[in-house]
Amino acid sequence: EVQMLASGGGLAQPGGSLRLSCAASGLPFSSYGMGWVRQAPGKGLEWVSAISASGGATYYAGFVQGRFTVSRDNSKNTLYLQMSNLRAEDTAVYYCAKLFSSGTFNNFFDYWGQGTLVTVSS
Amino acid sequence: EIVMTQSPATLSVSPGERATLSCRASERLRDYLAWFQQQPGQAPRLLMYGASTRATGVPARFSGSGSGTEFTLTISSLQSEDFGVYYCLQYDEWPLTFGQGTRVEIK
Repeated sequence: EVQMLASGGGLAQPGGSLRLSCAASGLPFSSYGMGWVRQAPGKGLEWVSAISASGGATYYAGFVQGRFTVSRDNSKNTLYLQMSNLRAEDTAVYYCAKLFSSGTFNNFFDYWGQGTLVTVSS
Repeated sequence: EIVMTQSPATLSVSPGERATLSCRASERLRDYLAWFQQQPGQAPRLLMYGASTRATGVPARFSGSGSGTEFTLTISSLQSEDFGVYYCLQYDEWPLTFGQGTRVEIK
């Protein structure tokens, strides 16, 4: 069974940083692209970032504006999202999700973790 | 970026009735369109990809159709476990974009 456990969320001050992790199991992690999708309280889904299976290609939504960095450690079956210069509007549940195949182009999320809540407030 | 617009915002349906959800893209897609279901407090669940291919384990009462800029998710006979919010996603180009969601509620 594919499982993805996101962690690292919590309270951060505006301008602060957080590092999210997503530990995956039940799949050949290094064979699949991965990504992050967020959901602000009471709002819809918003794609944040994606990374190829090897980690060699990364993609970001426009609102990231150089503040977030996605990475992965295939030896640890773990995906990361380093977030800096956080803003109040970054407050959301952050879901890690597996892409259907190894690439990132024309690919979609087929399995989702339960998410971790990030709250940005002073 | 491609803007995805879903309608209606809320759909009130009685159990056993048919539900039809729409998703419109601001640009023509190559059928790289997926549908997700989200129930309260849970992560989204993949229902459909490639506009009309059911994901593993998805009941046959769910069907997807459409092409170009107009796509539809149909639930032929709504069951109690089908109530929730449904999102479409275009994965034709970066950035990936979701529709704003359609809430399916009990009538």
